[in-house]
Amino acid sequence: DVKVTQSSRYLVKRTGEKVFLECVQDMDHENMFWYRQDPGLGLRLIYFSYDVKMKEKGDIPEGYSVSREKKERFSLILESASTNQTSMYLCASRGSGTDTQYFGPGTRLTVL
Amino acid sequence: AQRVTQPEKLLSVFKGAPVELKCNYSYSGSPELFWYVQYSRQRLQLLLRHISRESIKGFTADLNKGETSFHLKKPFAQEEDSAMYYCALRLISGSARQLTFGSGTQLTVLP
Repeated sequence: DVKVTQSSRYLVKRTGEKVFLECVQDMDHENMFWYRQDPGLGLRLIYFSYDVKMKEKGDIPEGYSVSREKKERFSLILESASTNQTSMYLCASRGSGTDTQYFGPGTRLTVL
Repeated sequence: AQRVTQPEKLLSVFKGAPVELKCNYSYSGSPELFWYVQYSRQRLQLLLRHISRESIKGFTADLNKGETSFHLKKPFAQEEDSAMYYCALRLISGSARQLTFGSGTQLTVLP
């Protein structure tokens, strides 16, 4: 089974802090994604990566950056956390040539 | 740009009743359509994809290109079907690798 893990289930940070969310997948997938999930808005794509050191902006990249130094790891960075970034963050991965995305359990981030 | 619309945020049906979760998309080309499901305290997972034309857990979905719809249906709902359902679209052409999700429908099946 594909396993996608996220470093924290719950995280509480203060406004202005730098926040790192880590995601690791164990199936050698080329594609990895970061979404935020908000009630009534569904899943919105923040950033995605289709190869090591490659990244593309999604629909809502403002206030976020990403890093993919190794194939299995995709990090989401909030340079200066703000209260409107309080949300559930989901990581996903997908192999090239396949159409199924596998999701992590999510990180619920609260910014005070 | 492509868009996925799920008009119902909440949907409640009684056990044994038919259920239909609506999904409409806007895209002029040929998309791939999916339904993802998230049960309580579980991670989001793929339920079915239109190209497979399969029935999963009694659910089916037919792509209607004329109406640009991909509604999810089940003839007899069960309590364990209660979950959040997301319709998603991926473009077949070009270099797009990402999914566009709808806003989701929370289905509650009442006993």
